[in-house]
Amino acid sequence: DSGVTQTPKHLITATGQRVTLRCSPRSGDLSVYWYQQSLDQGLQFLIQYYNGEERAKGNILERFSAQQFPDLHSELNLSSLELGDSALYFCASSARAGHQDEQFFGPGTRLTVL
Amino acid sequence: AQRVTQPEKLLSVFKGAPVELKCNYSYSGSPELFWYVQYSRQRLQLLLRHISRESIKGFTADLNKGETSFHLKKPFAQEEDSAMYYCALGNLIFGKGTKLSVKP
Repeated sequence: DSGVTQTPKHLITATGQRVTLRCSPRSGDLSVYWYQQSLDQGLQFLIQYYNGEERAKGNILERFSAQQFPDLHSELNLSSLELGDSALYFCASSARAGHQDEQFFGPGTRLTVL
Repeated sequence: AQRVTQPEKLLSVFKGAPVELKCNYSYSGSPELFWYVQYSRQRLQLLLRHISRESIKGFTADLNKGETSFHLKKPFAQEEDSAMYYCALGNLIFGKGTKLSVKP
């Protein structure tokens, strides 16, 4: 599958814990975007990486961090989890750094914090 | 502040009826606008973008800078158009989405 992949599909954890979500971009894409979709909310942009460097930052909490590795996969780390962090987390990739390119989305990781 | 508003959470129409999904944006510069669609059990995918001015699956969207709108239109809705539709500004600011339900 040369599309965007995300692991795990589902994650259930407790408050105060830390989790890592993983994303592999589409083959050839250098940009990775992370979004959070909570109940009754649209997609909230969190952060973008391009070729290993942070490119743009949205409403990402200080408890959240991300990075993009040399092989271009990305990880989103969520720590000190709260009930309100329960959401669907999407990753998307695009070819270039600019925001005019089509984004290709992954299937999402559903995080449940109990 | 940059913002995208999709005023309708749910839009229900009958097959063959015209459909218009509204999108209003707030942006001081020259906007780049997109429509993404998510069919049931599928990933979010690009439907169209204003710079290409194309018609995809019979849908069109015209950028109206005066009204700061980018409404999505289709003259005759089909049942397979039932999906969630998201308007996006600069590919980073997404609206909350409109669920389109096309009834037979």
